[in-house]
Amino acid sequence: IVMTQSPATLSVSPGERVTLSCRASQSVSSDLAWYQQKPGQTPRLLIYGASTRATGIPARFGGSGSATEFTLTISTLQSEDFAVYYCQQYSNRPLTFGGGTKVEI
Amino acid sequence: QVQLVESGGGVVQPGRSLRLSCATSGFILSSYDMHWVRQAPGKGLDWVAGMSFEGDTKYYSESVKGRFTISRDISKSTLYLQMNSLIPEDTALYYCARDRCSGGTCDYFDYWGQGTLITVSS
Repeated sequence: IVMTQSPATLSVSPGERVTLSCRASQSVSSDLAWYQQKPGQTPRLLIYGASTRATGIPARFGGSGSATEFTLTISTLQSEDFAVYYCQQYSNRPLTFGGGTKVEI
Repeated sequence: QVQLVESGGGVVQPGRSLRLSCATSGFILSSYDMHWVRQAPGKGLDWVAGMSFEGDTKYYSESVKGRFTISRDISKSTLYLQMNSLIPEDTALYYCARDRCSGGTCDYFDYWGQGTLITVSS
């Protein structure tokens, strides 16, 4: 299953609402996770089951969607949210990631 | 606290072999599926291999199937990745990652190591 994220880069300002997209080449139901990766750091699980926040993830991060279309929304962008965001499907093996969206200033 | 510490990386010539290790602590290795995920320099994440918590199911990406083998030593709380017939496209930072679910399979990852860098070059 090919995962496609858009846009590749998003230029925003702190305080803005941000919407990132992830599309699957076939239905993955709700078997979709989102990760955040900051420069020089390991990925951090944000969302699983398309919309469930992982432990310790702030409420400003929200996930939605099902089947082939998914969205990660950051309601009010904080300075620490500038990072690359990846989606990952786990409906079918091999597990696959999207190419990432870089959120930059 | 959960810790994953990879080792074994380095520079290797094409066609050669390398074994990566992931020393785990803070949880029971035999209770979790475990995975290897790689990231080529400046690129995205690429799932490589996974192993069930029972240890009886192993699965691989098409790009490494037949060349890489995932295994573990419960007594040492360590996960391994045996990498044979290495090619330049295998150059990446290799992470071990823990499945989020205990005693089951989620296939997404809540803890990651810091990674070990493999460079395949002549």
